[in-house]
Amino acid sequence: DIQMTQSPSTLSASIGDRVTITCRASQSISGYLAWYQQRSGKGPKLLIYKASTLERGVPSRFSGSGSGTEFTLTISSLQPDDFATYYCQHYNSYSHVTFGQGTKVEMK
Amino acid sequence: EVQLVESGGDLVQPGGSLRLSCAASGFSVSSNYMGWVRQAPGKGLEWVSVTSSGGILYYADSVRDRFTISRDNAKNTLFLHMSSLRAEDTAVYFCARGWWDLRGYYFDYWGQGTLVTVSS
Repeated sequence: DIQMTQSPSTLSASIGDRVTITCRASQSISGYLAWYQQRSGKGPKLLIYKASTLERGVPSRFSGSGSGTEFTLTISSLQPDDFATYYCQHYNSYSHVTFGQGTKVEMK
Repeated sequence: EVQLVESGGDLVQPGGSLRLSCAASGFSVSSNYMGWVRQAPGKGLEWVSVTSSGGILYYADSVRDRFTISRDNAKNTLFLHMSSLRAEDTAVYFCARGWWDLRGYYFDYWGQGTLVTVSS
C-alpha cells in the first residue's frame, strides 16, 4: 500500500502569513493527489484535486503543486477561517486510497 | 445542492452490530463512487470502504469480513453494516461521494459524520 507522510504535524502561524504543508508518497502517484481542510467538529472539505486544480468555490489563496512523490499545499496569506487541519490523500488506485496523518494549522 | 446526511451511530458493546445510513440528495448514489471514511477521537482520517458506480466493493484490511457496504438506489441511500465490533472501531464515520478521475477517486462531498462508540 502507498503511504502518505505529511509535515509538519503542527504549524503555528499568524494572520497574513504564507503557509506551506508538504505531503510525500512512498512511491510515485503521478499527480493523483487531493487536499482537504477539516475544521473542528466538521466533515472534511475538498480544496484541491489532481495536485494543483482548485475545487470550485475555494479561495485563490490556496494552491497546490508537485508530482511523483512530493507535493505541497500553500496558503498565500493566512485568514482566520484557515485555522484547521489539512489532509492529503492519494488516489492512484481504483480501489484503496490513503490519507496523510494531517497537519494542524494553529494560531501563533 | 449535494447533501449527505449520516445516521445510525450509537453506543454498542464489543462484538455487537450496527448499521449506518447515509441519505443522499442532489445526485444519484448509483452513478457515483460512494465511500465511508472514519476518524477515531483525536486522530486522522482512515479510509474504510467504497462501492464503485458499477457495484464493486472494496474494504480496508482492518474491516474486511466484518463490515459490508451497500446502497439502496431507490432510496438514494448508502449503508455500512458493521459486525463483530471492536473498541478500535470507535470513531466518527463520514459518508462521502467519490469522484472518478482517470486512475482513482477523491471525495468531493462529505457528510457531517455519525459517532460510533464501542464499549462495555
